[in-house]
Amino acid sequence: QVQLVQSGAEVKKPGASVKVSCKASGYTFTNYDVHWVRQATGQGLEWMGWMNPNSGNTGYAQKFQGRVTMTRNTSISTAYMELSTLRSEDTAVYYCARAWKGGYFDPWGQGTLVTVSS
Amino acid sequence: DIVLTQSPGTLSLSPGESATLSCRASQSVSSNFLAWFQQKPGQAPRLLIFGASSRATGIPDRFSGSGSGTDFTLTISRLEPEDFAVYYCQQYGYSPTFGQGTKVEIK
Repeated sequence: QVQLVQSGAEVKKPGASVKVSCKASGYTFTNYDVHWVRQATGQGLEWMGWMNPNSGNTGYAQKFQGRVTMTRNTSISTAYMELSTLRSEDTAVYYCARAWKGGYFDPWGQGTLVTVSS
Repeated sequence: DIVLTQSPGTLSLSPGESATLSCRASQSVSSNFLAWFQQKPGQAPRLLIFGASSRATGIPDRFSGSGSGTDFTLTISRLEPEDFAVYYCQQYGYSPTFGQGTKVEIK
């Protein structure tokens, strides 16, 4: 079945970077865009950006421009999201999601908790 | 960016009752690119509705979506115990955005 499996929880210090992985299975990885969404504890969902695994093209939300990088390794069907210059406000669960051709997100990864603390 | 405003913030209902959730957009949502998600504590969001009114695979028919342009509605008829959760609307146009969520809680 179609599945996205993300890497485990991370604890980082302010100013550091984090790289979260999202391994796809059950479908052709290069045929569907991957999006990243984050959710701070008790808060709503915030879209961060997208990547086309075939071309490597990306698009980022203005809020994260200059701090986020989305990449992929097609040989292992894995997408990555790297966020730099971390601050405490970046503490959140980070999700990857596959976008269907129509654009809607399904399925989602299980989420990766990133904690930024000194 | 399109701002989505969901109402009410919290809905207190009993099992068996119906729930009506609203999602209003700050500008017209192109091609009805509007989805609804259900999220339970500790879980990832689950797609319920896409294209404003199409149910995702495996979603019970007690969930229905309607609306167009700037006003959209998710209706849950005959609430089951497993339906008590937070619901988010999302527009998935050029720059996707989410509503702030509606919590459906047991009365």
